[in-house]
Amino acid sequence: DGGITQSPKYLFRKEGQNVTLSCEQNLNHDAMYWYRQDPGQGLRLIYYSQIVNDFQKGDIAEGYSVSREKKESFPLTVTSAQKNPTAFYLCASSSGGNSPLHFGNGTRLTVT
Amino acid sequence: QKEVEQDPGPLSVPEGAIVSLNCTYSNSAFQYFMWYRQYSRKGPELLMYTYSSGNKEDGRFTAQVDKSSKYISLFIRDSQPSDSATYLCAMSERGNDMRFGAGTRLTVKP
Repeated sequence: DGGITQSPKYLFRKEGQNVTLSCEQNLNHDAMYWYRQDPGQGLRLIYYSQIVNDFQKGDIAEGYSVSREKKESFPLTVTSAQKNPTAFYLCASSSGGNSPLHFGNGTRLTVT
Repeated sequence: QKEVEQDPGPLSVPEGAIVSLNCTYSNSAFQYFMWYRQYSRKGPELLMYTYSSGNKEDGRFTAQVDKSSKYISLFIRDSQPSDSATYLCAMSERGNDMRFGAGTRLTVKP
């Protein structure tokens, strides 16, 4: 079955540590996205990539970094510079243009 | 003012009721409108996708877009307990500029 796989489902880290969230898709989609979801707020865009080896900052990119070395993979690193990293992180992909987004099942990150 | 406003609820209805979920928005350039359903601890799944104004029906779900009022709705007929979830509206102008509502939490009681 085609889809988006995010791992791990739950992640716990100590403050000051960098952590990388995995996102893999087998939908052959060109565009991939990272969103952050917090209670009472809409999804907020962190980074997106429309093609391999290229990515753009979203609305809340500070404290995050990404890479897009392969079409299928778009890992997100939450750095120690992110002031409030505890959240539910969602990866999505689309075939580009105005196609709707398809989401993975998220990674819940807790930083203490 | 948020770009997309959505009443967070919670909304509780009896099984079989008609549910109406709504969002308003401020950016008149939005032309693609979506509704997603999100179960607890899962990612959102696409329910409806519409372009510009008008209605779209899919089974028990109907999406309406009124661009003149900057208002979109999702209607669920004959609601079921399995419809209990958070519903997110989303909209975009170009595709990579999608904006989401905060979500409405719906509970359908048997």
